[in-house]
Amino acid sequence: DTEVTQTPKHLVMGMTNKKSLKCEQHMGHRAMYWYKQKAKKPPELMFVYSYEKLSINESVPSRFSPECPNSSLLNLHLHALQPEDSALYLCASSQDSDYEQYFGPGTRLTVT
Amino acid sequence: AQTVTQSQPEMSVQEAETVTLSCTYDTSESDYYLFWYKQPPSRQMILVIRQEAYKQQNATENRFSVNFQKAAKSFSLKISDSQLGDAAMYFCAYRTGTGGFKTIFGAGTRLFVKA
Repeated sequence: DTEVTQTPKHLVMGMTNKKSLKCEQHMGHRAMYWYKQKAKKPPELMFVYSYEKLSINESVPSRFSPECPNSSLLNLHLHALQPEDSALYLCASSQDSDYEQYFGPGTRLTVT
Repeated sequence: AQTVTQSQPEMSVQEAETVTLSCTYDTSESDYYLFWYKQPPSRQMILVIRQEAYKQQNATENRFSVNFQKAAKSFSLKISDSQLGDAAMYFCAYRTGTGGFKTIFGAGTRLFVKA
């Protein structure tokens, strides 16, 4: 099963809301990633978890808070977002650092 | 720092024809991986093909093949017998082979397939 799932598919939130994005994989991969993707642009790396520990934080604003409860799950907690944070948020996983990434379908986030 | 350049923002191909998407990269590393990812309008990004830098043989996956020129730092993707389902954004990507997690993506090439 080469599938990464993400929920919800769409999310509309106000600037004062708190919400969470969820990602799950059952491929036994040990690395999981959050990307932000604007329209017609490549994905931008936000966070990397390796063996459930935060490995990379690409200077993302603190209104984005990642969490890795276990090796299969990855969350992205959102709080006090800005309209410019509206984007497609992609989750990905890989077996380890030397392997290709498998991407989820993404969550389309709109901040009003 | 590594960079990936896709110089063709858009390409168009007739159904059943062949098209080549260009990608160049810059790196001082000798050990790395190169990928082509496809992102259809439905948005899920999928891996098309993978090339290890230490392998001289060009990777192929069915109708997809690459022309990997290590000295020239070029990694083009050839799609043969193009199909309507090939219409998508294609991203060339680089990943270090020394245990890093970062994948560097090119700006992408939008491929249109004409019936």
